[in-house]
Amino acid sequence: AQSVTQLDSQVPVFEEAPVELRCNYSSSVSVYLFWYVQYPNQGLQLLLKYLSGSTLVKGINGFEAEFNKSQTSFHLRKPSVHISDTAEYFCAVSELKTSYDKVIFGPGTSLSVIP
Amino acid sequence: KAGVTQTPRYLIKTRGQQVTLSCSPISGHRSVSWYQQTPGQGLQFLFEYFSETQRNKGNFPGRFSGRQFSNSRSEMNVSTLELGDSALYLCASSPGGQSSYEQYFGPGTRLTVT
Repeated sequence: AQSVTQLDSQVPVFEEAPVELRCNYSSSVSVYLFWYVQYPNQGLQLLLKYLSGSTLVKGINGFEAEFNKSQTSFHLRKPSVHISDTAEYFCAVSELKTSYDKVIFGPGTSLSVIP
Repeated sequence: KAGVTQTPRYLIKTRGQQVTLSCSPISGHRSVSWYQQTPGQGLQFLFEYFSETQRNKGNFPGRFSGRQFSNSRSEMNVSTLELGDSALYLCASSPGGQSSYEQYFGPGTRLTVT
């Protein structure tokens, strides 16, 4: 069965430091992978996506993620965070076997950037 | 293009009442999905509509229902409201079809049940 795990519920990090938010998934078939960000009192915004091709994916706001099929992971990274990156981050997975747009979200990681 | 819009943004209802939330997808998008977001349960999938047909359904009681109109606009209805229905309800649209898993979210409707 498809599931998504985000190992850290909260990640505090100092401004200008690097950050990695971890995401692991379980699926018996090929998947599409996504990272979304949610700022307070707003909906979710797509940061980046992996559909196929290069396993290193670059997104908006300086974020990137690497797909590791053998470890079934899709960790999100940023080399230097800014105060404005404080938000909730969600990893999401969609299985290719389905014909429909069904996406499973992880529980989220709250990133707090400390000045 | 205009983004996904949801109305109303905030809503306060009492237990036992019913409520209808509205979602207008991005122009040209044919798929609309609904999610419930709470601090305890996170993001939970409610249902997805494509071309006026419900294609997927999450594990919610029958009090939660939805529909989609020919212009792709969607409504979600919750009957006999319970305190536990207090949540942020998010709508997401996507182009639809087999290879369009990218979803665009609206700002949500914050429902408070008292």
